[in-house]
Amino acid sequence: AQKITQTQPGMFVQEKEAVTLDCTYDTSDPSYGLFWYKQPSSGEMIFLIYQGSYDQQNATEGRYSLNFQKARKSANLVISASQLGDSAMYFCAMREVDSGGGADGLTFGKGTHLIIQP
Amino acid sequence: DGGITQSPKYLFRKEGQNVTLSCEQNLNHDAMYWYRQDPGQGLRLIYYSQIVNDFQKGDIAEGYSVSREKKESFPLTVTSAQKNPTAFYLCASSLAPAFNSPLHFGNGTRLTVT
Repeated sequence: AQKITQTQPGMFVQEKEAVTLDCTYDTSDPSYGLFWYKQPSSGEMIFLIYQGSYDQQNATEGRYSLNFQKARKSANLVISASQLGDSAMYFCAMREVDSGGGADGLTFGKGTHLIIQP
Repeated sequence: DGGITQSPKYLFRKEGQNVTLSCEQNLNHDAMYWYRQDPGQGLRLIYYSQIVNDFQKGDIAEGYSVSREKKESFPLTVTSAQKNPTAFYLCASSLAPAFNSPLHFGNGTRLTVT
C-alpha cells in the first residue's frame, strides 16, 4: 500500500485564487512528520511547510497552510492568493520513526503538477 | 551561504561504466540522503547516513554504493550493475535523523547513460 497518496496529477487554477492540494497518508506510528515541497521546472526541491503528528494547530507559513485532519489521515496544502510563480510540482512527504528511534528519509507521494493561469 | 552542493549538474556516461556523483554540505547536518527521481515520478530513497562512517540502504539501493568518511560529504557511485541508471539524482541533508527535521536538498545531478 502506498504510504503517501496524491490524487491530483495536475491542476489548473486562475491567478489570485486559493488552491488546495490533496494528500492522504498511511502509518500506524504515533510519531511522524508531514512535509510539503515545491519543485519548479529547474529541479530543486524547496521545503514549504511541516506538520507534526502531535501538533494541535494547523501549520502556517506565509501564504501556505496545512489542513491537518489526523483522524482522516489527511494533510492538504492550501495556497492562498495564488501567483504565477506558484506553478510547479508539489510533493507531500512523510517521515516516520525508525526501529532505532531515529528516522530514515522522507517517503514521497507522486506529486501534483500545479499550473497557475493569468 | 550554507547549503548543499551537487556536482556536476549534468553527467553523461557510457553503459558499463561506474560513475560517482558528488554531494557536499556546509550546514553541519548529521544526516545525509540520496534520492532518485524518474520523469513524472516522486522521489525514491537510495541510501542514507545518520552519522559519519555509517549508512543504510533505502528502498532502491541495488546497483548503488555510498561512503560517509566525512560529515560534509556523501558521494554516490552508480555502478554498472544498476540496470536503469538514467535519472535525476538529488542529495539532501537534515540537522538530525528525527521525524520532525526537514530535509534540505541540493540542486540535483541529471545522469544520462547511453
